[in-house]
Amino acid sequence: DTEVTQTPKHLVMGMTNKKSLKCEQHMGHRAMYWYKQKAKKPPELMFVYSYEKLSINESVPSRFSPECPNSSLLNLHLHALQPEDSALYLCASSHPLAIYTGELFFGEGSRLTVL
Amino acid sequence: EDKVVQSPLSLVVHEGDTVTLNCSYEVTNFRSLLWYKQEKKAPTFLFMLTSSGIEKKSGRLSSILDKKELFSILNITATQTGDSAVYLCAVDRAGGTSYGKLTFGQGTILTVHP
Repeated sequence: DTEVTQTPKHLVMGMTNKKSLKCEQHMGHRAMYWYKQKAKKPPELMFVYSYEKLSINESVPSRFSPECPNSSLLNLHLHALQPEDSALYLCASSHPLAIYTGELFFGEGSRLTVL
Repeated sequence: EDKVVQSPLSLVVHEGDTVTLNCSYEVTNFRSLLWYKQEKKAPTFLFMLTSSGIEKKSGRLSSILDKKELFSILNITATQTGDSAVYLCAVDRAGGTSYGKLTFGQGTILTVHP
């Protein structure tokens, strides 16, 4: 069982809706990530938070807005999405920099469908 | 542009066979190469490789990195049906103080028949 919990598991939204994806971990990890995975494609990095600060934004459109309210939580706020944004959104976390082993702990993802 | 290419894209074998999966890369600021296994949803970590020529092993799986030729291989011996999955190779690029800035290859779909 993954120790990174994502909710909801499935989400269907219209292009004018505002919704949020949530991610939670209690492993003491201080780096958290959002990845996007389209069908039959590899995951693509969207954002990295390090010690609750946004450290990497891979030129993601502003209709995706990440938030890290504390060291255990990571949100992805969604607004005015397009049908091509439909994908599996994976959250991940990892150990702090000093003991980074390369292991990202992934959640099971939130399957998003934009109508 | 950073690139990670895996081959073959898919592979079908029978239980007991040995398989070799390949990963080549062209990335700036290489930090490490990682292998993940993705069965249904969440990728799970297999190995991280940073040094050339040092084999990493975990049970029937092993992997090695060649930083001169820019590739890695993942070997699975005595395959089992439970090894059926997508195997993802990823390269971690140095990005300031951030780790986990992974660029993934397209994956190799491994199917192991009984």
